[in-house]
Amino acid sequence: EAGVAQSPRYKIIEKRQSVAFWCNPISGHATLYWYQQILGQGPKLLIQFQNNGVVDDSQLPKDRFSAERLKGVDSTLKIQPAKLEDSAVYLCASSSGPGREQFFGPGTRLTVL
Amino acid sequence: QQQVKQSPQSLIVQKGGISIINCAYENTAFDYFPWYQQFPGKGPALLIAIRPDVSEKKEGRFTISFNKSAKQFSLHIMDSQPGDSATYFCAASRGDYKLSFGAGTTVTVRA
Repeated sequence: EAGVAQSPRYKIIEKRQSVAFWCNPISGHATLYWYQQILGQGPKLLIQFQNNGVVDDSQLPKDRFSAERLKGVDSTLKIQPAKLEDSAVYLCASSSGPGREQFFGPGTRLTVL
Repeated sequence: QQQVKQSPQSLIVQKGGISIINCAYENTAFDYFPWYQQFPGKGPALLIAIRPDVSEKKEGRFTISFNKSAKQFSLHIMDSQPGDSATYFCAASRGDYKLSFGAGTTVTVRA
């Protein structure tokens, strides 16, 4: 069974630029999560989708972050404009449903200069 | 605010020794307590999990001890091996399954 795929693996941008990350969950997984993991900290949930609907985006900085999962499969997370404090690893995870085991992708390491 | 506090930040153990990582929580509504293992360049992977109806769960060399009254739980890695060198995260969630993670513990096992 293929795992959660993410791209790109690394991204370096200047502050105030835009960036987008892509995630393809495990086939058949209805629940998709985006986490932000700052160096030395645990992952923090940014947004949770159930199929193509948003379940929880309470910790998503909506003035600059957006995410979509239009067809209920893959998902895109965008940052516009980026700030220095957005430097982190962005992890995507999926599960067969809420409360089920979450499977994480390898993450995208973002550096904002 | 951080809902799950984890300690120590890092530890070094000799091969064959025991690694112990502790976590404490405040929210008594939490009812699921997983531990994740993360290797450099990889995403976290579920290692072992416990619910508050039991005080201990063992899977191979990994054991979770849970103290509901103290609102604490810990991970014990027995007979630590170099391949166990990784960062370990405790987490907790309540009925809506939103995981709150600890800050992580980097474990180094010396051969």
